[in-house]
Amino acid sequence: GAVVSQHPSRVICKSGTSVKIECRSLDFQATTMFWYRQFPKQSLMLMATSNEGSKATYEQGVEKDKFLINHASLTLSTLTVTSAHPEDSSFYICSARVGARGYGYTFGSGTRLTVV
Amino acid sequence: AQRVTQPEKLLSVFKGAPVELKCNYSYSGSPELFWYVQYSRQRLQLLLRHISRESIKGFTADLNKGETSFHLKKPFAQEEDSAMYYCALRGNSGNTPLVFGKGTRLSVIA
Repeated sequence: GAVVSQHPSRVICKSGTSVKIECRSLDFQATTMFWYRQFPKQSLMLMATSNEGSKATYEQGVEKDKFLINHASLTLSTLTVTSAHPEDSSFYICSARVGARGYGYTFGSGTRLTVV
Repeated sequence: AQRVTQPEKLLSVFKGAPVELKCNYSYSGSPELFWYVQYSRQRLQLLLRHISRESIKGFTADLNKGETSFHLKKPFAQEEDSAMYYCALRGNSGNTPLVFGKGTRLSVIA
């Protein structure tokens, strides 16, 4: 089946540094990638939608200059958390649509970001 | 606005007992509804979707448009059903993402 590989699975960084999270579609082309954020015991909250070759669409309240999304190819989308702060510590998950009608969504395994 | 409500954060049942995980939604059109499951240390995966009207692992869910509900049911819970369950909605226009409820943790007690 369609698989999205997400790396790293866990990262600890210092305040002020930047962290890049990668999501690769392994056996299909992901024209659209969705980026979610999940706080402990909370639901997945959509951050942004990225389409290959175009600018990402960010949800209200999400800083586009802080969460840089690049979707340069049909198999790779990246999320870069710039100048990270402790409040950015969270679980980040990518998801891609599968199939023309989009009934299937496949998810990455998530990245646990801890900013110290 | 799109909204998915799962009123229970935690549901504990005994093995063999019936299970019902509640989900209500708010959407102005005709949405597509899904149930996703996340087992311990695993990624989120699709359990079932309303449009296929199927039963997966003994679970079923019927879309009730009148009550705007999509409750997940299973007649006899098993220990391996213990997991986090998310109800999700997708609008039917364009390239829309899933909107998730807050999730319900199901704990099946032996």
